[in-house]
Amino acid sequence: SQQGEEDPQALSIQEGENATMNCSYKTSINNLQWYRQNSGRGLVHLILIRSNEREKHSGRLRVTLDTSKKSSSLLITASRAADTASYFCATDAFRGYQKVTFGIGTKLQVIP
Amino acid sequence: DTEVTQTPKHLVMGMTNKKSLKCEQHMGHRAMYWYKQKAKKPPELMFVYSYEKLSINESVPSRFSPECPNSSLLNLHLHALQPEDSALYLCASSHSGIQETQYFGPGTRLLVL
Repeated sequence: SQQGEEDPQALSIQEGENATMNCSYKTSINNLQWYRQNSGRGLVHLILIRSNEREKHSGRLRVTLDTSKKSSSLLITASRAADTASYFCATDAFRGYQKVTFGIGTKLQVIP
Repeated sequence: DTEVTQTPKHLVMGMTNKKSLKCEQHMGHRAMYWYKQKAKKPPELMFVYSYEKLSINESVPSRFSPECPNSSLLNLHLHALQPEDSALYLCASSHSGIQETQYFGPGTRLLVL
């Protein structure tokens, strides 16, 4: 099963609105990362939050991490049409060796 | 330079063909990765090279053969693939370890006929 699972799987909003995506995971982590992928292209790293951090900001992005609930959220404020993409959380876990697993992703559509 | 390049962008091959995917980075990163991504699915890790040594093979079939000729280059040799191997193949690199920020290339879209 996926270490990280995003919710919702699809989200459609109007330009200017805020978009919130959630990620839940199962095992303890050292850090959690969020990536964006435009259709059929490579992934772009957005933000990394460590297990001892609770919140992190980068421009219009705000990420929170609740290790007690094993969940994270990504908030994009004042969304733009260019934010249309799939968003993945990636968690590290030790499964005999350290590896990173991507969640199933949230497909965000921002309507102009 | 924070770019990871991949060639070719698209590849169509028959099940008896031999082809190679190439990946290059000049960021001085010592960890490089191959991922496979099917449509509407997340990337799945295939191989990890750390300091030019294969450190992780996620039980990938032997028809996929990775190679790391030097710290900047990563190849994926393909032989006798199956149609279900059609996917987007992504290369990524990070400074030294898998827990760090990974920089992805644009991918090679592979179609196996």
